[in-house]
Amino acid sequence: GENVEQHPSTLSVQEGDSAVIKCTYSDSASNYFPWYKQELGKRPQLIIDIRSNVGEKKDQRIAVTLNKTAKHFSLHITETQPEDSAVYFCAASIAKGANSKLTFGKGITLSVRP
Amino acid sequence: KAGVTQTPRYLIKTRGQQVTLSCSPISGHRSVSWYQQTPGQGLQFLFEYFSETQRNKGNFPGRFSGRQFSNSRSEMNVSTLELGDSALYLCASSLAAGIQYGDTQYFGPGTRLTVL
Repeated sequence: GENVEQHPSTLSVQEGDSAVIKCTYSDSASNYFPWYKQELGKRPQLIIDIRSNVGEKKDQRIAVTLNKTAKHFSLHITETQPEDSAVYFCAASIAKGANSKLTFGKGITLSVRP
Repeated sequence: KAGVTQTPRYLIKTRGQQVTLSCSPISGHRSVSWYQQTPGQGLQFLFEYFSETQRNKGNFPGRFSGRQFSNSRSEMNVSTLELGDSALYLCASSLAAGIQYGDTQYFGPGTRLTVL
């Protein structure tokens, strides 16, 4: 089955710096790649997503890039702020009829130091 | 629009018991998925329901089951609870097509299940 891995598992950056979180996936049939942010004690919330027919997508300070050949995708956060501190999950979705599923990485804890 | 709601928010059970968790999706959403979240394993997909039918299933034992009602509300049942079932159980709803077509999943607040 699909395997999604996130690296690194923790990341600490200074406020104002950029943060990059990388994910790799194993199944080349994956076609949808969302990123979720989960603050402590709260529900995961979608922050950005990308589909396999697009290489990059931006939304203000957040961007996601996809490299289908290498089977990896990355989340880029620019001008980080303390409120960006959270656990970030990447996921990959495979559309395979009854075997469709959304597989998550184990999450990375981002800490933004004021 | 009201978000996804889950009840109860917290639950304590003992080994061997069974438990039922409830999820009410966003109004108009027809797909409901369930996930188990633990510190060691992260978020793991349990199953997805659409139009009262289980459409997709993850790799969990048969003790984990679910159903969906005609109003799209969903319940998840875990029988013969084990200590390892202690986790945050999240449900997520999406508009219609669900996981198969990359519909955005909106998560509920979760039910924290503790098995003693």
